[in-house]
Amino acid sequence: DQQVKQNSPSLSVQEGRISILNCDYTNSMFDYFLWYKKYPAEGPTFLISISSIKDKNEDGRFTVFLNKSAKHLSLHIVPSQPGDSAVYFCAASARYGGSQGNLIFGKGTKLSVKP
Amino acid sequence: DVKVTQSSRYLVKRTGEKVFLECVQDMDHENMFWYRQDPGLGLRLIYFSYDVKMKEKGDIPEGYSVSREKKERFSLILESASTNQTSMYLCASSFVGGGLTSTDTQYFGPGTRLTVL
Repeated sequence: DQQVKQNSPSLSVQEGRISILNCDYTNSMFDYFLWYKKYPAEGPTFLISISSIKDKNEDGRFTVFLNKSAKHLSLHIVPSQPGDSAVYFCAASARYGGSQGNLIFGKGTKLSVKP
Repeated sequence: DVKVTQSSRYLVKRTGEKVFLECVQDMDHENMFWYRQDPGLGLRLIYFSYDVKMKEKGDIPEGYSVSREKKERFSLILESASTNQTSMYLCASSFVGGGLTSTDTQYFGPGTRLTVL
């Protein structure tokens, strides 16, 4: 049973527009959420994270929103650039719930930003 | 900067061979992880380790074993490689997790693309 779901396997966006990547989770013990970006033939790189005590975290063009009641988070990229084309993974952790450092990953969304 | 290195970027092996994948991190992290990534399946945890000589099974440990003799090094072993183990293998490390002061952020190596013929 998937605890972290990324229901869109792919997303195509025009350069300069907003990209919105979505992630849903089922485990109410999750209290920390992360987004990773992965280029082909490379390891994932950490992008941005958010604690469950916040509903928004911003870092440059990247903003993550958390809606705890809906168990939903989203990553906004504004403006989107061709270099943002990659697979984006959502991940969750239950720090207070005994995750012991394990992250639960979604299956990823492939973002294509077209010039 | 955290650095996680993996011994090979690309590896080709034959069915039945014993395969060693090495991972080294330079940040004195307690936790180390091995994942495989396959199209449409995301990242699946094979094994992880919280400390030297400790290991825990992940979601898909069958056909794999691990070794952690030193804190900075975590090895993944395929005892008898099979074609269904053709995949991208990713190593990661992090500081000890648990508790609200931790972030559980994992730092990944560049990956090893293993092909088993």
